[in-house]
Amino acid sequence: LAKTTQPISMDSYEGQEVNITCSHNNIATNDYITWYQQFPSQGPRFIIQGYKTKVTNEVASLFIPADRKSSTLSLPRVSLSDTAVYYCLVVGNNNAGNMLTFGGGTRLMVKP
Amino acid sequence: NAGVTQTPKFQVLKTGQSMTLQCAQDMNHNSMYWYRQDPGMGLRLIYYSASEGTTDKGEVPNGYNVSRLNKREFSLRLESAAPSQTSVYFCASLLAGGDEQYFGPGTRLTVT
Repeated sequence: LAKTTQPISMDSYEGQEVNITCSHNNIATNDYITWYQQFPSQGPRFIIQGYKTKVTNEVASLFIPADRKSSTLSLPRVSLSDTAVYYCLVVGNNNAGNMLTFGGGTRLMVKP
Repeated sequence: NAGVTQTPKFQVLKTGQSMTLQCAQDMNHNSMYWYRQDPGMGLRLIYYSASEGTTDKGEVPNGYNVSRLNKREFSLRLESAAPSQTSVYFCASLLAGGDEQYFGPGTRLTVT
């Protein structure tokens, strides 16, 4: 299993762009990088997933360099409602089922 | 389409009591997972089931047992509850490796 490392916490202000970086030095060739968001008292919610280069959806962008040993989740123009914990996971792409593990996540606090 | 459902939402047990947490998904997913989340911490995998008829230990399996009753249902049993098992328990499912996990609303368990 590829271990991930991400900052414990980050602060930002409304309207700013937030970038959260995750390290995954021993990522395997078939692994994808997946990010989840968790609000208090709720289960995590999928945000975005990518394999290489850049992926963008209506919520976020994910940047993955060529060596794939790290990835950066970018949240454009955050609002107070983006205050949450963000988890980076490395997920194997096979049909046998995965032992998916979450690290401690990054606690993002967006201030007015 | 209810997604992932969990029962009960809340439970208080005395030390030594037993109980079963129920989880069901109606998305025809192959893999199901049980996590626990202690206050201010990330999620830790207890057990998972890659497919119907199989179960495997996760990071923190001690004190728990699981049953993959059928493709829809995955239950978690505490045979003799301990205060250290006070936590929020999340069930999740996914269709196949590389897909996103869908989480239930959680069961908040207190053991006194």
